[in-house]
Amino acid sequence: AQSVSQHNHHVILSEAASLELGCNYSYGGTVNLFWYVQYPGQHLQLLLKYFSGDPLVKGIKGFEAEFIKSKFSFNLRKPSVQWSDTAEYFCAVKATSGTYKYIFGTGTRLKVLA
Amino acid sequence: DAGITQSPRHKVTETGTPVTLRCHQTENHRYMYWYRQDPGHGLRLIHYSYGVKDTDKGEVSDGYSVSRSKTEDFLLTLESATSSQTSVYFCAISLAGGPAGDTQYFGPGTRLTVL
Repeated sequence: AQSVSQHNHHVILSEAASLELGCNYSYGGTVNLFWYVQYPGQHLQLLLKYFSGDPLVKGIKGFEAEFIKSKFSFNLRKPSVQWSDTAEYFCAVKATSGTYKYIFGTGTRLKVLA
Repeated sequence: DAGITQSPRHKVTETGTPVTLRCHQTENHRYMYWYRQDPGHGLRLIHYSYGVKDTDKGEVSDGYSVSRSKTEDFLLTLESATSSQTSVYFCAISLAGGPAGDTQYFGPGTRLTVL
């Protein structure tokens, strides 16, 4: 069965610090990968996604993620965080065939100190 | 936001009562999903639909049923609400097959409290 692990449950950073959030998945086949962000009191919004091609994908608000197939990882990065990046971040994976289901990680709460 | 609305947005109910949550989409997408979000658990899939009258169970389907009689509406029913079903419920749609590929978009959520 597919699963997604987000190892960092809570992260606290100061403004301008660099961010890297880990995401690992378990599935042997081809996958689509996603990062979503949820600001306090709001619904999930898509940050970025990987379907195929260049393993380094860029999303909104200066976020990027790198797909490393050999490590089953899809880590999220941002060179310099802002206070407004305070939110919860979710990694998700979907197999490209044989299922309609998306599997989500348990989320990482990021707090950015001004 | 793919035109997704959920109703009600907030509901307080008592243990043992039936509750129905509605998800409505305006853009005719085939795939619709119900998740619940709880601290420490992320999002867990309750049920999903891959077409009118075509539904299947997710990982936490016990105590929930769904119906989809029209493309635009996906209903989630708690047959007899329990306190463990206190949660935030999100509906999602998937743009599978379109230019955006298999991307999910989420509704605003329904906060349900079962007393």
